[in-house]
Amino acid sequence: KAGVTQTPRYLIKTRGQQVTLSCSPISGHRSVSWYQQTPGQGLQFLFEYFSETQRNKGNFPGRFSGRQFSNSRSEMNVSTLELGDSALYLCASSLGRELNTEAFFGQGTRLTVV
Amino acid sequence: DAKTTQPNSMESNEEEPVHLPCNHSTISGTDYIHWYRQLPSQGPEYVIHGLTSNVNNRMASLAIAEDRKSSTLILHRATLRDAAVYYCILSLHNQGGKLIFGQGTELSVKP
Repeated sequence: KAGVTQTPRYLIKTRGQQVTLSCSPISGHRSVSWYQQTPGQGLQFLFEYFSETQRNKGNFPGRFSGRQFSNSRSEMNVSTLELGDSALYLCASSLGRELNTEAFFGQGTRLTVV
Repeated sequence: DAKTTQPNSMESNEEEPVHLPCNHSTISGTDYIHWYRQLPSQGPEYVIHGLTSNVNNRMASLAIAEDRKSSTLILHRATLRDAAVYYCILSLHNQGGKLIFGQGTELSVKP
């Protein structure tokens, strides 16, 4: 079956702009999580959605937001981009009901803010 | 947030076993221990997870200490393709199972 798909793979934006990233989970998976990866901070949890509801949120400013649609696809939005938002943004999907399920990650969207 | 502590890097020879340690002294009774690895230019990949008992799968084994404050990922025969950053992660029961990644251990495998 198809894996987790993230689009676009690469993106270049200017400071102050906003950006929307998309994640299509594995069919049947209802949980989608987002992570930011930078060389300095490593992998940091942004938020998790399950059945269209945000179930968990990390310690990121309100400029970072997300949503999940009824088909489990998810988008994350970053407004008023800053240079420090340059990172690899990873999405992971899982069945989501139990803690003991594995998460499947996409290849990420590489965002560069100039 | 519950934290895990891992060595920054380890080295192994091809075809030899590798033991990757992880300390998680603040683990609570219902938190699962997960291991993921990340190959260059890819997203993390699930390796194994467990709660209390040792676990085996086709990729690796997970040995969990009796007090659950530490665990060890065992790769039985390292290959060059196992060179990656290995993350030991706690899945937090009281926070809906979100994964908190540490800095991970960068494993290099020498031929």
